[in-house]
Amino acid sequence: DTGVSQDPRHKITKRGQNVTFRCDPISEHNRLYWYRQTLGQGPEFLTYFQNEAQLEKSRLLSDRFSAERPKGSFSTLEIQRTEQGDSAMYLCASSSAGGNSYEQYFGPGTRLTVT
Amino acid sequence: AQSVTQLGSHVSVSEGALVLLRCNYSSSVPPYLFWYVQYPNQGLQLLLKYTTGATLVKGINGFEAEFKKSETSFHLTKPSAHMSDAAEYFCAVSEGGGYQKVTFGTGTKLQVIP
Repeated sequence: DTGVSQDPRHKITKRGQNVTFRCDPISEHNRLYWYRQTLGQGPEFLTYFQNEAQLEKSRLLSDRFSAERPKGSFSTLEIQRTEQGDSAMYLCASSSAGGNSYEQYFGPGTRLTVT
Repeated sequence: AQSVTQLGSHVSVSEGALVLLRCNYSSSVPPYLFWYVQYPNQGLQLLLKYTTGATLVKGINGFEAEFKKSETSFHLTKPSAHMSDAAEYFCAVSEGGGYQKVTFGTGTKLQVIP
């Protein structure tokens, strides 16, 4: 068990560019979550996958955001036409379906800075 | 809808003193409650959780929290603060069930003064 990993850890981009982040969950976890955390705030839920199915999306996830989990393993979060307001820490978490399914394990996050 | 209120965005304690971080929640169903800790530029680590059963729950690093339904509270305590406890702490709630959408509070930064 190597934990949840995220790549890259930091990303600086210019306004208007597209960015993509990757999350690798704990291998036996079939649930995967994306959160966004801005300075001075707690993480805010963005979206949730069970296996490859995206089951819920927050209204925070505008049309410029898209998330995928093509084979039910890793996930990607893409932001198109980035805006300065997208600057935040993007956190990924995973959990299992049974047993301690309420326990989410978080990755280290990807810090996005839009200039 | 569920929500969490953390009282005090910053708390300072002396090393060796009691740590008390306050959290009140709102939930339409019996809640699951969590405390997470976040060190700078890192993800969140689960400190402890309440789901059902015993209302006093113990977590890692000597922390504990008590679920008080009548007060809708889940305050985090530690008898004696250590320098390594300096971090940001988040209280969180979920409404249970198979899918765990977690709602976080805005966090409390704990400063430990030597």
